[in-house]
Amino acid sequence: SQQGEEDPQALSIQEGENATMNCSYKTSINNLQWYRQNSGRGLVHLILIRSNEREKHSGRLRVTLDTSKKSSSLLITASRAADTASYFCATDRGDDKIIFGKGTRLHILP
Amino acid sequence: GAVVSQHPSWVICKSGTSVKIECRSLDFQATTMFWYRQFPKQSLMLMATSNEGSKATYEQGVEKDKFLINHASLTLSTLTVTSAHPEDSSFYICSASQLGIGGSEQFFGPGTRLTVL
Repeated sequence: SQQGEEDPQALSIQEGENATMNCSYKTSINNLQWYRQNSGRGLVHLILIRSNEREKHSGRLRVTLDTSKKSSSLLITASRAADTASYFCATDRGDDKIIFGKGTRLHILP
Repeated sequence: GAVVSQHPSWVICKSGTSVKIECRSLDFQATTMFWYRQFPKQSLMLMATSNEGSKATYEQGVEKDKFLINHASLTLSTLTVTSAHPEDSSFYICSASQLGIGGSEQFFGPGTRLTVL
């Protein structure tokens, strides 16, 4: 079963612009994580935000979490061609299982 | 961070054969490992949870006799796709759970691409 729903499903932006992806989930969580996956490759862990945190930064990444709305957003600032990938949110409900959302396919246009 | 490896990274097999995929935690002991499947342009779907020394717990809709999981040690879990068919062609990813100060954290392997002809 999938916990998260990302939107948009696909996003194309010009290099240098900011990219925002959203994730909604259904049940209570311990933490929420964002991953990147290049086509046909493994996952790259980007950032983890705990349920008692509201915002977290890592380099050009900014993640927010609103537990009242059961939603999270991932912002990538000053996008680069290398940011082209699929991005997934994943939730940990506290049972050790990580459940992935459907993902957003991000394409950075030169 | 901790490293998880998978072997093989890709495999092509004939329909009807069985394929074994290994997942190893290289520098830590993992009491729990997880197996995911990912079809093209789709998300990762959790197949089963594997605990060392006990039977795996399968997610709804995953056939336990089709996907045999063995977690014989704290650093190795194997997934065997039995009598593989073309519809089993997929990207299989494992993860290993390590207990830390703030709770458990999962580390993902690089994945194994299975193509069944």
